[in-house]
Amino acid sequence: DVKVTQSSRYLVKRTGEKVFLECVQDMDHENMFWYRQDPGLGLRLIYFSYDVKMKEKGDIPEGYSVSREKKERFSLILESASTNQTSMYLCASSQVGDATNEKLFFGSGTQLSVL
Amino acid sequence: AQTVTQSQPEMSVQEAETVTLSCTYDTSESNYYLFWYKQPPSRQMILVIRQEAYKQQNATENRFSVNFQKAAKSFSLKISDSQLGDTAMYFCAFMNINNDMRFGAGTRLTVKP
Repeated sequence: DVKVTQSSRYLVKRTGEKVFLECVQDMDHENMFWYRQDPGLGLRLIYFSYDVKMKEKGDIPEGYSVSREKKERFSLILESASTNQTSMYLCASSQVGDATNEKLFFGSGTQLSVL
Repeated sequence: AQTVTQSQPEMSVQEAETVTLSCTYDTSESNYYLFWYKQPPSRQMILVIRQEAYKQQNATENRFSVNFQKAAKSFSLKISDSQLGDTAMYFCAFMNINNDMRFGAGTRLTVKP
């Protein structure tokens, strides 16, 4: 089974801190995604990456950046955390070109609280 | 960008009964995929069912089935013989051929004993 691992389940940070959220997948997937989940808003795409060192902005990239130096690892960076970035963050990955099995595999989420 | 709308923030159903969750989407693309994901209290997103837009036949997975109306851009999920373990958030999602997936706001389903 595909495994997508997020390094922290819960994280508490202070306003202004630099925050790193790490995600690792073990199935050699090309695509990786970062979503933010808020009540009443569902999952919103922050950034995605379709290859090493490649990235594309999603719907809400402001205040975030990403890094993908290795295929299996996709990091979300909050340069200066703010209270409005308190949220659940979900990482996902998918395989390109598998038409019979197109879907996303998700990590178990990181609940970030910014105080 | 594509948009996905789930108009029912919360629903409840009695155990063993049937419930239908609604989803509509907006796209100009002709080839795409639609999904229902379940998120129980564990927070793990679990794929419930998947539909390719080019297939007219509605997907089914055991007690779960969809009513896919491509012209109306509607993709509802029917859960038959509801079980307590079906209690969860349900998200409808649209994915284009580039694997760009967008989600609805979710429907919180409670199955009552």
